[in-house]
This record gives sequence, structure tokens and C-alpha cells, in this order.
Amino acid sequence: QKEVEQNSGPLSVPEGAIASLNCTYSDRGSQSFFWYRQYSGKSPELIMSIYSNGDKEDGRFTAQLNKASQYVSLLIRDSQPSDSATYLCAVKTSYDKVIFGPGTSLSVIP
Amino acid sequence: EAGVAQSPRYKIIEKRQSVAFWCNPISGHATLYWYQQILGQGPKLLIQFQNNGVVDDSQLPKDRFSAERLKGVDSTLKIQPAKLEDSAVYLCASSEVRNNEQFFGPGTRLTVL
Repeated sequence: QKEVEQNSGPLSVPEGAIASLNCTYSDRGSQSFFWYRQYSGKSPELIMSIYSNGDKEDGRFTAQLNKASQYVSLLIRDSQPSDSATYLCAVKTSYDKVIFGPGTSLSVIP
Repeated sequence: EAGVAQSPRYKIIEKRQSVAFWCNPISGHATLYWYQQILGQGPKLLIQFQNNGVVDDSQLPKDRFSAERLKGVDSTLKIQPAKLEDSAVYLCASSEVRNNEQFFGPGTRLTVL
């Protein structure tokens, strides 16, 4: 079992829709979770971090964490073509290592 | 606030040659990371420093890769000798000690022919 898993996609959504990106992790003791956005040919940039169960909202982005299910998600409301990118989930494990998932490619269709 | 600086941005070498990459983290960030990212994959941690000490180098191919962070500020990553499979983007990131919110540099795209 891989430590951090994401659907590779591509995920296609129409402009204005909600994009839902999912991530599961294997280390039950993980405490910190991060979402990064990576445009083609660019380096990753941090979108959100989440540490507690529940939802965390920042503008059009909402991160959701469920530690019991070992699941973290990112919702993007009112998706825009500029949101088209690869979204990377990263998890800080109980042994203090940050592991990145393979990323999910999102395409927002005008 | 200046971001993470990396150089060079691009490098093309032949196999068995050596290459070095440089990184200067955000001022005040004690933790520095080097990642290898192959096209279509997530970043893979090569080495993590806190100040000038190594925290994790479990995935660094030590027979050919080396890294140092003298004086706990900037860092260099070296590959000697390079193999074809080392073709990738090498990313440097930094963070504060209190969290792992990482800020990435622009990366160095390495092509080994």
C-alpha cells in the first residue's frame, strides 16, 4: 500500500462547477496535511494546510479532514480555467516525514 | 520577502558527468529540502536538513548523490556520476521549524544524455 494515494485523473469539470479532489493516507498517526497546486512546468505552491478534523475554508477552497477514515479532500468552488493544474496532497507522518502523493490533474473546461 | 532561489534553471549533461545545484532558502527558514520530481510523479524527498544537520536522507542514492548545507543557510546538491535515469526536475524547498508548510524554489530541470 502506498503511503499517500490520489486519483491520477485527469479530472475534468465545467467552469463554475465544484471540483473535488481526494487523498488517502496509510499512517494513522499522521497529524499535518497539505494541498499544493502545481502548474505545468512550474514548482508546487502551497494552497492550504489542515491539522484538525473537519473543514477549513479559504476563499473558493475548502479542505476537509477525516482522520478516522484517513482521508483528506480539497473542494474548489466556482472552478475557473485558471484552476487547471495538478494538485498534490502531502502528509506529515508520525515519523516526521512529509510524503507527497502522485497528484491529480484537474482540467476546468470553459 | 524573497522566495527560495535555485540555480541553474536548466542543465544538460552527458551520462557519467557531474553536476551541482545550488539553493538559497527563505531567510529564517531553518528546514531545507531537496526533492526529485520525475514527469507525472509527485516530488520525492532526497534529503532534509534542519540548520546544518541532516534530518532524513533515507532516499538519497548515496553512491552518486551528495548534499551539504554549510553554515545552515544555502545548500548544494551534487550528482557524480550522472545516469540517464537522473533526468528530472530538482526542487528545493524551505520551511520554518514549527510547521512543514514548504515554499518551493523554481527548480532545476536536468537532462542527462
